[in-house]
Amino acid sequence: QVQLVQSGAEVEKPGASVKISCQASGYSFPDYHVHWVRQAPGQGLEWMGCIYPKTGDTHYAQMYQDRVTMTRDTSINTVYMQFNRLTSDDTAVYFCTRETWYFASWGQGTLVTVSS
Amino acid sequence: DIVMTQSPDSLAVSLGERATINCKSSQSVFYISDNTDHLAWYQHKPGQPPKLLIYGASTRESGVPDRFSGSGSETDFTLTISSLQAEDVAVYYCQQYYNLPRRFGQGTKVEIK
Repeated sequence: QVQLVQSGAEVEKPGASVKISCQASGYSFPDYHVHWVRQAPGQGLEWMGCIYPKTGDTHYAQMYQDRVTMTRDTSINTVYMQFNRLTSDDTAVYFCTRETWYFASWGQGTLVTVSS
Repeated sequence: DIVMTQSPDSLAVSLGERATINCKSSQSVFYISDNTDHLAWYQHKPGQPPKLLIYGASTRESGVPDRFSGSGSETDFTLTISSLQAEDVAVYYCQQYYNLPRRFGQGTKVEIK
C-alpha cells in the first residue's frame, strides 16, 4: 500500500530555515507528483507547491516561491521541502501528499514551530 | 488562478439530519480530456491528515460511507452528508485539480447542533 512517512517535528527561530522530508513506499516513486500542503493554526489547507520526482521539475505557489525549494532523492524515494526565512506565521503542520490528479495518500504531517 | 469559495463557513446540524456544503469555482473545472469535473472533497479532523472523500465531483473514494455524496458540474458543486453522524464532525474542503495552483476552498466546519 502507498505510504508517505514524514520527518519529525521541528522548532526553529525566526529567520532560520527548515528542511522536511517525506519518504514514499508502495508505488513507483518517480512517476507521481508529490505536493506539499500546510495548515497553520486556525487556518485552512494551503497548497505550497509540488515536485515531479522523475525529472525534478517543480511548481511553487506564488506566495512562497522565493522562500521554498522542493527537491528529491530517487535513490531513497524521498522528497524534501526546504523553507527559508521563517517567521511566526509559518508555524503550521506541513503535509506531503501524492497526486493521482487528486490527493488520496497523505503523510502524517510535520509540525514546524517558529518561535524565538 | 482558480479561486474556490465555499459556503457556509460553518454549520451545526442535528445528528441524523442532512448537512449541505457548497463550493463554487471561479472558472469551470470540467476537463474535456476525461469528461469529468476535476473537483475533490476532503474531510479534515484535528491531528490527522486530510481524507479524500469524493473525486470527479461525485465519485466516492473507496471505503467512504454512502451517506457522503457529491454533485454539481462546471463551477458549482455540493457535498451532502445525508444523515450526520458524530464521527462526521470535521472541516470539509473542496479542491480543484484542473490546473496549478491546486487551491482549496477556505473550509466548512461541521458541528453537531
